[in-house]
Amino acid sequence: SAVISQKPSRDICQRGTSLTIQCQVDSQVTMMFWYRQQPGQSLTLIATANQGSEATYESGFVIDKFPISRPNLTFSTLTVSNMSPEDSSIYLCSVRRGTNYGYTFGSGTRLTVV
Amino acid sequence: KQEVTQIPAALSVPEGENLVLNCSFTDSAIYNLQWFRQDPGKGLTSLLLIQSSQREQTSGRLNASLDKSSGRSTLYIAASQPGDSATYLCAVIQGAQKLVFGQGTRLTINP
Repeated sequence: SAVISQKPSRDICQRGTSLTIQCQVDSQVTMMFWYRQQPGQSLTLIATANQGSEATYESGFVIDKFPISRPNLTFSTLTVSNMSPEDSSIYLCSVRRGTNYGYTFGSGTRLTVV
Repeated sequence: KQEVTQIPAALSVPEGENLVLNCSFTDSAIYNLQWFRQDPGKGLTSLLLIQSSQREQTSGRLNASLDKSSGRSTLYIAASQPGDSATYLCAVIQGAQKLVFGQGTRLTINP
């Protein structure tokens, strides 16, 4: 399975600021996925990032709040913009090598907004 | 809309016991089902992937089964150990490669 390096592992941020989370994959993948896990909840898909095109956002998530970059087939970033305490969550990226493979997740970014 | 339910929400058992975690889903049109483990504040570790054409998968002390027609999967853990304490998540993989997660079962193994 793929290996994902996700940074930072955690951060404490002031409200109104932005944080950019990075994911680096050890192999080329077509799609990368970004999830949010709010405290005590399961994972919710934010968006799907394809290289060379705009990300596809799920209902309830918008590009202005969660801009995503996908400059190549091994790297993606998610920015959480104009943060509020409600954005305090674990953010995770995920990839899948193909339809016969399972999903691999990064180690997560634990964000606290104060 | 696919809904995934995991029962029980929490489970506490003494070390050494065998146990079963349950996962049900409402739409049987799935590609695969995957079980994950999550330690507190951490990312997800993949445990087992079951293709839609398969009935079960095994890895060490773990065995996962899939019954698409009834919309059910189980994760069997044999001879549980304190290190197995974690939250276990099941997720179904549908069209457009979307993962739909259950709420998880928080498992505690008591020494």
